[in-house]
Amino acid sequence: GAGVSQTPSNKVTEKGKYVELRCDPISGHTALYWYRQSLGQGPEFLIYFQGTGAADDSGLPNDRFFAVRPEGSVSTLKIQRTERGDSAVYLCASSLTGLESDTQYFGPGTRLTVL
Amino acid sequence: AQSVTQLGSHVSVSEGALVLLRCNYSSSVPPYLFWYVQYPNQGLQLLLKYTTGATLVKGINGFEAEFKKSETSFHLTKPSAHMSDAAEYFCAVSDPMNTGFQKLVFGTGTRLLVSP
Repeated sequence: GAGVSQTPSNKVTEKGKYVELRCDPISGHTALYWYRQSLGQGPEFLIYFQGTGAADDSGLPNDRFFAVRPEGSVSTLKIQRTERGDSAVYLCASSLTGLESDTQYFGPGTRLTVL
Repeated sequence: AQSVTQLGSHVSVSEGALVLLRCNYSSSVPPYLFWYVQYPNQGLQLLLKYTTGATLVKGINGFEAEFKKSETSFHLTKPSAHMSDAAEYFCAVSDPMNTGFQKLVFGTGTRLLVSP
């Protein structure tokens, strides 16, 4: 079956621009996560969705970052007024239930470069 | 707050040699523990996880890890390295008592290099 997919795979933008990153989770997975992975670092948690609602957005770095999941499936991470420091690989993961013992399945990521 | 320390940003082994990747965690309660592997231009893939029960956990591709509470460790091993094992490996923890969902905290990763 299809895994988690993310589009685009690469995004180059200019400082100050707005970008949207899309995640298609595995069908039937109620839990969806966004992470950010900077060069040489492990993934860092950004936000967790259970169904349509953002159950925990404590990892979003500031109010320029926002994410939605309106129908409980596809999610979009939105970044306003991008800064060079936003350059990173943005990873999406989904899991069946979100329970602590669950398995998260990761997408290949979107590499964002802010010039 | 939980944290994960992976000793060695790079580990080099010869094909056929033992693989040992170290992971130590800091947590107020025994956490759930995970090892993920990341191949170039691919997403992270779960190798194995410890939640409860047997402390020696076997995963895919011949890897295993042992949860040692007294040492706060969850080191990853494989008896005989294969060229295809060359990748980045991440250890992660999740506090089962704190958040109500699987909020993973990752280490900085260890790149495994395998030479012929």
